[in-house]
Amino acid sequence: QKEVEQNSGPLSVPEGAIASLNCTYSDRGSQSFFWYRQYSGKSPELIMFIYSNGDKEDGRFTAQLNKASQYVSLLIRDSQPSDSATYLCAVKLRVSGGSNYKLTFGKGTLLTVNP
Amino acid sequence: DAMVIQNPRYQVTQFGKPVTLSCSQTLNHNVMYWYQQKSSQAPKLLFHYYDKDFNNEADTPDNFQSRRPNTSFCFLDIRSPGLGDAAMYLCATSRIRAGGSHDEQYFGPGTRLTVT
Repeated sequence: QKEVEQNSGPLSVPEGAIASLNCTYSDRGSQSFFWYRQYSGKSPELIMFIYSNGDKEDGRFTAQLNKASQYVSLLIRDSQPSDSATYLCAVKLRVSGGSNYKLTFGKGTLLTVNP
Repeated sequence: DAMVIQNPRYQVTQFGKPVTLSCSQTLNHNVMYWYQQKSSQAPKLLFHYYDKDFNNEADTPDNFQSRRPNTSFCFLDIRSPGLGDAAMYLCATSRIRAGGSHDEQYFGPGTRLTVT
């Protein structure tokens, strides 16, 4: 069973629409959840993180976490062509038996915002 | 600005010729990570340093080694690169919080490795 799953897309939305990106994870011990944006040929850029159940808003971005359903999502309001990128969901998990943590990434969802 | 720097940004090496990739940070973070990312795949963690403590992932090939001579610098050594090692190599850093959990990770720009 894959640890972090995302729909690979591509997800195509018109400019100004809401883009909804989804992610599920398998380990109930997961503690923290992150969304990274990655433009083609570039490195991942952190855009949101969430630790508690519920919603967290930052500008046009809203992260939603439901630990019972093992589900985390990212909403992008008023989508712009510059939002076109791959969005990576990452889940932080404590490595068993130690004090170290490991970040596991999904494969990412390619979002295209059409002008 | 505090940041994570990787050099070189592009590296071409020959099959079997050792290569070293460099990462430095001005964030004063005590954890540094190396990831490998191939096209359309998720970043794959190779290993990380918690201060001077080295933590290797179980499936990281022996061909990959790392050194962290001080807080600011970390190196990735590929002893005998194969064609399958062509990828983007990403360095990331994070900070340990009071209580032991890690802060979020910040990535450098990456080094694109080509093996000929």
